[in-house]
Amino acid sequence: QQQVKQSPQSLIVQKGGIPIINCAYENTAFDYFPWYQQFPGKGPALLIAIRPDVSEKKEGRFTISFNKSAKQFSLHIMDSQPGDSATYFCAVKPDSSYKLIFGSGTRLLVRP
Amino acid sequence: KAGVTQTPRYLIKTRGQQVTLSCSPISGHRSVSWYQQTPGQGLQFLFEYFSETQRNKGNFPGRFSGRQFSNSRSEMNVSTLELGDSALYLCASSLGVSDEAFFGQGTRLTVV
Repeated sequence: QQQVKQSPQSLIVQKGGIPIINCAYENTAFDYFPWYQQFPGKGPALLIAIRPDVSEKKEGRFTISFNKSAKQFSLHIMDSQPGDSATYFCAVKPDSSYKLIFGSGTRLLVRP
Repeated sequence: KAGVTQTPRYLIKTRGQQVTLSCSPISGHRSVSWYQQTPGQGLQFLFEYFSETQRNKGNFPGRFSGRQFSNSRSEMNVSTLELGDSALYLCASSLGVSDEAFFGQGTRLTVV
């Protein structure tokens, strides 16, 4: 049962472009929506996260847009750099649980 | 402040053997969760612990087990290893149920 659907599977943009990664979830009992960045050979690193009481959150070049009624949230990377080339995972967390349910990941390549 | 520490970083085991992986959470964090990451299945939740109690378990066979000690350090054990158990095993720690989860670098297990 896939509770989080992430798209696209892979993405190639030029330096300075704005890649957008989307996630859709199926259950309304989630209260925390993080994005993780993972480089090869490393564990996932928390990038930015949002809670359902706000529709947008910005931290540096990274922005989460959240649409509670559509059960969707997305990650935007402004002024993307080659160093942003990594795999990005969205996740959802049920209320009162430590468990994270991850999307399938998006492999981003930013060309110089 | 030290991050989440997982040992060992790499392991090679033979089918049928058992293995124990270790995770030391960030100082002060009382929650530890474990995940399995494979190219085919992505990031899948194994179990979560808080104050030495297993709160939640993922959909994995009984060969996968874990425990948490009074100092919040955690171990997971996989018995009767199968080739399909080859994966990156990740541990994450949190301060509380509403706080961010921070991941370790993972243990790369190869079963031959």
